[in-house]
Formats: sequence, structure tokens, C-alpha cells
Amino acid sequence: QVQLQESGPGLVKPSETLSLTCTVSGVSVSSDTYYWSWIRQPPGKGLEWIGYIYHSGNTNFNPSLKRRVTISVDTSKNQFSLKLSSVTAADTAVYYCARARIAVAYVDYWGQGTLVTVSS
Amino acid sequence: NFMLTQPHSVSGSPGKTVTISCTRSSGSIASNYVQWFQQRPGSAPNTVIYENDQRPSGVPDRFSGSIDTSSNSASLTISGLKTEDEADYYCQSYDAYNWMFGGGTKLTVL
Repeated sequence: QVQLQESGPGLVKPSETLSLTCTVSGVSVSSDTYYWSWIRQPPGKGLEWIGYIYHSGNTNFNPSLKRRVTISVDTSKNQFSLKLSSVTAADTAVYYCARARIAVAYVDYWGQGTLVTVSS
Repeated sequence: NFMLTQPHSVSGSPGKTVTISCTRSSGSIASNYVQWFQQRPGSAPNTVIYENDQRPSGVPDRFSGSIDTSSNSASLTISGLKTEDEADYYCQSYDAYNWMFGGGTKLTVL
């Protein structure tokens, strides 16, 4: 079955770069049917879309985060990754990786989420 | 950019019916599909409705979705409320450039 699992440091210092990887099993990230997405949720708050990548490498980002976000895909490892630069305390959140069906933005599988805290 | 506005909270008694609204600020609600997610504390979201009114397998038919172009909104209706339905619910849609989530609605089953 399809599974997504986030991994990466749980603590990042202010002004540094947050880096997370999502390992996908049960489906290839090379599939042309899906977007591979990152979504976050600050503690006690709502969901915020960060961006997504298509198997071709095409990306789309939340305009409010676009200057700081990079999403990449590694088909050899069946993984995709998120980098968020110049982080502040406002970037503290649970970060989810997710699979979405193209054209309809239907998120059908989520990772379990990983808490990233920005603090010195 | 557009926004999706949800009520902060709704409540209902076991066995009753509740409806959660999701109003789109600009652009037609009918232009892009709406999804609904249920999130229990400490867990990842789980889809209960996709493409406006479709239920994923395993989601009970007590959950239904609809859109109303006159109010430019989508609705999630939960009938026969159960205590296990108590959770946060989020709507989500998109346009040519962005995805957007509503702010979330806390459902309390009294």
C-alpha cells in the first residue's frame, strides 16, 4: 500500500535552512498521475500549503513562501525533499508530505507528519 | 489569491445533523473541486470528501458534500452524529496557481 514518511531534524536554529525528506513506498514518484506535496501546520493552528513538485521537476509554491522554498525529487531513491531557508520561530510547525492527484488537487495520502521547532 | 472561510466551531448532539460551510472569497466555487479533511488531535488529516461530493472508500455515507453557486460556498454535512466525529474539519480548493485551505472548524459532539 502507499506510504509516505517524513524525516529530518526536529530542531533548526533561526536563520538556518530547514531540510526534510519524504520517502515514498507503494508508488513511484515518477508517476505522471500525482503531485508530491508539502503542507504544514503550526501548533494549534490550521493547515498551510507549502508547494508541490511534479515528476518532471515542475514546481508550484505558496506565494507567501516562494522566495524561501525549494522542493526537489530523487527518483532513484523514490523520495522528494523540502528546503525552507532563513527560518524564524513562525516556521515552527508539523510538516506533512502528501500525495495529490493532478488537476484536482485531491490529497489522498498523507505522511504522519514531523514536528520541526525553530529555536536557538 | 482567494480565501476559504469556515465557521470557527459547530456543535451537535449524537444522532443529529450538522453542516459546516466553506465560502470562497473570489472566483467561482464551481470552477475548482473542493475537498474536506477530518483531523483528530495528534493525527494527520484524513479525506472525507473529494471532488465536491465524492466519498473515499471506508468513509461512511453519513458524510456528504455539496456546493452552492448562489452563496459561492461548499458544505460538509454529517448526519447521525457520533462521538467519534468530534474533530477539526478543513475544506481545501485551488486555482490555476495555488492551493488554499480553510481555517478549520472544530466540531463538538455534545
